[in-house]
Amino acid sequence: DTGVSQDPRHKITKRGQNVTFRCDPISEHNRLYWYRQTLGQGPEFLTYFQNEAQLEKSRLLSDRFSAERPKGSFSTLEIQRTEQGDSAMYLCASSQAGALTLYEQYFGPGTRLTVT
Amino acid sequence: GESVGLHLPTLSVQEGDNSIINCAYSNSASDYFIWYKQESGKGPQFIIDIRSNMDKRQGQRVTVLLNKTVKHLSLQIAATQPGDSAVYFCAENIGSSNSGYALNFGKGTSLLVTP
Repeated sequence: DTGVSQDPRHKITKRGQNVTFRCDPISEHNRLYWYRQTLGQGPEFLTYFQNEAQLEKSRLLSDRFSAERPKGSFSTLEIQRTEQGDSAMYLCASSQAGALTLYEQYFGPGTRLTVT
Repeated sequence: GESVGLHLPTLSVQEGDNSIINCAYSNSASDYFIWYKQESGKGPQFIIDIRSNMDKRQGQRVTVLLNKTVKHLSLQIAATQPGDSAVYFCAENIGSSNSGYALNFGKGTSLLVTP
């Protein structure tokens, strides 16, 4: 499978604990995005990497959230001191900059986080 | 604020019929729109896209129409099949080169295809 992969697929944690998610984008894609999706809603943009540089963070990304893409390949999203409001599906997407594919993003299956 | 929204939250159609899913947007500066399909437990899957300099674009069994005058977008699915049952999202480009052209998604329309 050469698509975007995410791990784990499901995570249940207690309030106050830290969690980390991993995303492996399509190998030749230099752009990587994190989105959050709550039940019944569309995905909301969180942050964007071009290669290893984090170029954009949305206001939804509080100080408890941090994302990295150290070698410009896989990325991690960490949430510290989780709150019940963090319960959501966390989606990763990747794309390759190019004249014909300026915007098209390919999504992974997501990590569903439940904070109890 | 400016947003992308959908007219109907759910749509039920019979197998073989054509489906039309509508979307309204309010950001007149949007220059690119995408339709995604999301099945239960999966991430959104790209269906078709359209740039603002176009009125219509066709794919395999799908057509996207863009009416910039009334800021309306629609997705037409021909000969709807049970495998088309999913939630459909329209999305618009909200970002710049700094944000990698991040997308703003609407709420979604649930399409149910009945035999």
